[in-house]
Amino acid sequence: ELKVEQNPLFLSMQEGKNYTIYCNYSTTSDRLYWYRQDPGKSLESLFVLLSNGAVKQEGRLMASLDTKARLSTLHITAAVHDLSATYFCAVGSNSGGGADGLTFGKGTHLIIQP
Amino acid sequence: EAGVTQFPSHSVIEKGQTVTLRCDPISGHDNLYWYRRVMGKEIKFLLHFVKESKQDESGMPNNRFLAERTGGTYSTLKVQPAELEDSGVYFCASSQMRTGELFFGEGSRLTVL
Repeated sequence: ELKVEQNPLFLSMQEGKNYTIYCNYSTTSDRLYWYRQDPGKSLESLFVLLSNGAVKQEGRLMASLDTKARLSTLHITAAVHDLSATYFCAVGSNSGGGADGLTFGKGTHLIIQP
Repeated sequence: EAGVTQFPSHSVIEKGQTVTLRCDPISGHDNLYWYRRVMGKEIKFLLHFVKESKQDESGMPNNRFLAERTGGTYSTLKVQPAELEDSGVYFCASSQMRTGELFFGEGSRLTVL
């Protein structure tokens, strides 16, 4: 069974600081997603990572994937208040046998204080 | 272009009643998924349609849940009879390809009293 662990689950930080959210998963995977969710809103797709060593950047967010270590990171550079949200990683298994769904981490609740 | 839309946004019903949730995926997306988040728990996969066919329903909790996607367009998820533990937010998502970007709706919040 695929398990996904995110840490930290809660993070409060000052504007201008850098920080990294970690996503570990337990079995081989063929795809990893990062999502952002604002309260009461939909999950907004941030990144799709499909291969080992993949690195994608959008603004102050950068995501990377190490399939050998079964680890993805979401790095926040010079945080601003607008990035306050809950961030989820979600992993797809490639083990076959009806493994179409994504397994989500518990989410990281991020608060960025001015 | 419209995103994934879900209806209703919030439904409150009594235990034993029936509720039907609807999802309209992004036009042209063959892949449609249902997920659920129960209070305090992770978002969990329920099932996956490819066009009108159920590709994977391994996450459906029990036979009180019935999902359909007639004609391969919109999908419905019926809960009958609803139980207290069915309360949560039901998300629908769609994508063009299985490994492509997955777009979520805003969710339908179900409260069973």
